[in-house]
Amino acid sequence: QVQVVESGGGVVQPGRSLRLSCAASGFAFSNYGMHWVRQAPGKGLEWVAFISYDGGNKYYPDSVRGRFTISRDNSQTTLYLQMNSLRAEDTAMYYCAKDTHSGNDYGYFFDYWGQGTLVTVSS
Amino acid sequence: EIVLTQSPATLSLSPGERATLSCRASQSVRSYLAWYQQKPGQAPRLLIYDASNRATGIPARFSGSGSGTDFTLTVSSLEPEDSATYYCQQRHNLFTFGPGTKVDIK
Repeated sequence: QVQVVESGGGVVQPGRSLRLSCAASGFAFSNYGMHWVRQAPGKGLEWVAFISYDGGNKYYPDSVRGRFTISRDNSQTTLYLQMNSLRAEDTAMYYCAKDTHSGNDYGYFFDYWGQGTLVTVSS
Repeated sequence: EIVLTQSPATLSLSPGERATLSCRASQSVRSYLAWYQQKPGQAPRLLIYDASNRATGIPARFSGSGSGTDFTLTVSSLEPEDSATYYCQQRHNLFTFGPGTKVDIK
C-alpha cells in the first residue's frame, strides 16, 4: 500500500538549518509530483513546496521562497526539504504528501499523507 | 494569491442530520478544488477532488459541488466519526487552503 514516512524534525535555533526527509513506498514514486505541507500548532494547513515527478519544476509560496529547497532522489524514492534561515514562525508539523496526478508539471491535490515530523524553532 | 474563505467556522449537528459546508474563492479556480477531513492528531484525508469527485474509499454520504468561486461540501447524514475539521484547497494558482470548518457531532 502507499506509504510516506517523514523524518528529520527536531528543535533548532532561529537562523539555523534543518533537512527533512520523506521515504515513499507502494507506488511509482518517479511518476508523481510531491508536496510538503505544514501545520502550526492549533492552526490550519499551509502548502510549503511542490516538486514535479522528474524534479524539473519546483514551486514555493512567498513565505518560504529563497529559504526552503525541495528536492527528490527517484532512485531512493525519497523526498527532501532543506530549510535554511529558520524562524519561530516555521514551527509546525511538516507533512509529506503525494500528488494525485501522475506525470504532470504543476501539481493538483494531495491524496496520501504521512503522519508528519515536528519542527520547533526556538532559542 | 487566491484566498479561500470557509463558512461557518464551526458547525454543531446531531447524528443523521445534513451538513452543508461552504468554501468561497477570491477569484475563479474553475473546478480545481478539493476537500480534506482532518481529525485531531491525524494527517488530513482527501475526500473530494476536482470539486465533485469522491476520492478512493470515501463514503457516498460525502458529496461536493460548485465551480468558479463558490463550492459546497455536503454530508448527507452525519455519522459520529464525521466529527473533524474540514478544509478546502485550490490548485488553480499554486496551492492554498481555506481556514477550515470544525464539525461537532452532538
